[in-house]
Parts: sequence; structure tokens; C-alpha cells
Amino acid sequence: AQSVTQLGSHVSVSEGALVLLRCNYSSSVPPYLFWYVQYPNQGLQLLLKYTSAATLVKGINGFEAEFKKSETSFHLTKPSAHMSDAAEYFCAVSDLNDYKLSFGAGTTVTVRA
Amino acid sequence: NAGVTQTPKFRVLKTGQSMTLLCAQDMNHEYMYWYRQDPGMGLRLIHYSVGEGTTAKGEVPDGYNVSRLKKQNFLLGLESAAPSQTSVYFCASVPGDGYTDTQYFGPGTRLTVL
Repeated sequence: AQSVTQLGSHVSVSEGALVLLRCNYSSSVPPYLFWYVQYPNQGLQLLLKYTSAATLVKGINGFEAEFKKSETSFHLTKPSAHMSDAAEYFCAVSDLNDYKLSFGAGTTVTVRA
Repeated sequence: NAGVTQTPKFRVLKTGQSMTLLCAQDMNHEYMYWYRQDPGMGLRLIHYSVGEGTTAKGEVPDGYNVSRLKKQNFLLGLESAAPSQTSVYFCASVPGDGYTDTQYFGPGTRLTVL
């Protein structure tokens, strides 16, 4: 079975500071990994995904994530936070047979002016 | 191209009432999914379908039924609603063409069961 653990349910950062959201996965096969963002009262939007190509993945809005097999991690980063980054972020791992997603519990990001 | 749409957007039910949530996609996707989102628990898979006429159970299927009579529609039914089913429900779809693995999500349905 595949699973994802997101460390930290809430992260608060200052505008302009580094954003680091942690995600560790458990999978018996090479995983497909995703980061989604959810703005208040909206659906989920794909930020980026890892599908066994480059280990450093660049996404939208200046986010990137690095796949580290030795650490079973897929942490999300953004060098400089913007007020518009305030949202909830979900890490997910995919079942390659039928594309089912297993989600982490989510991390809420607040950005201080 | 509307993508994935969900009907209704909001609904309030009394315990024991029934209702059906509709998910529609106009992208000719093969795979469709129903998730529920609860605070602190992320999204959990209720049921899914790998093609027209097929359905399968996900992680939390109890109390829900689904049908996929047409490829573009995936219905989620609650036969006898319970307060524990108060949640935000999301539908998603995937092409299933072997090339695109990204799930496309609908805007969600907020359901409250009193």
C-alpha cells in the first residue's frame, strides 16, 4: 500500500522568506508523486509532479520539489514567499495501475506581511 | 470545454435523507473518482471507475453507492445520510491513455447533514 506523510499541519512564513513543505512517502514500487494546492473554497490545482524523469521538478508559481529516493522524500520549496501563496498544500502518491491518489493530511501555509 | 463540473455546489440534508451528487467531464476521460475531504485528513477515495459501466471501492466506501452509466458522468449516491457524511466532496478524472497521469479535479460539493 502507498501512503504519504506531511510533516507539519501549519506553516507560517514571512513574505519573501523560504517556503519549505515536507512530504515523505511509502511505496513498494517507484512512485509517481504530486503536489496540489487548494485556495480557500476552491478545488485542487496541480503544482507539480514527479514521474521518474528528473529528480528536481519545477512547477507553477515558482515552486519546485526534489525527489530523494534514499530519504523517501518529496519536499516542496519556494525561495521567496508571496502573499498569494497562502493556501493549503497536499502531497499525494499515485497508484500506477489505476491512477488512484493517496493524499497526505495537508499543510496550511500562512504568509505574514 | 468546461472540464470537470459538479452538481450541486452546496446541499443541506437531514439525517436519513438521500441524495445524488453528479460529476460530469467533457474531456472523454476513462477514469473517474470520488473523494471526500475532511479537516486534518486530506482527501480520501470513496469510489472510482476505470471506464463506462465499471465501479470499484476506494478507501472509505461505506454508506455510498456509485454508478457510471455514461462515460462522461459519475454519480455518487447517499441512500441514508448520516452526520458523519458531512464533508466536501470532490470528483476527479484522468484520461487513462497511458500518457497522462494527472487527475483533474472539480470545484467540490459542500454537504452538511444535520
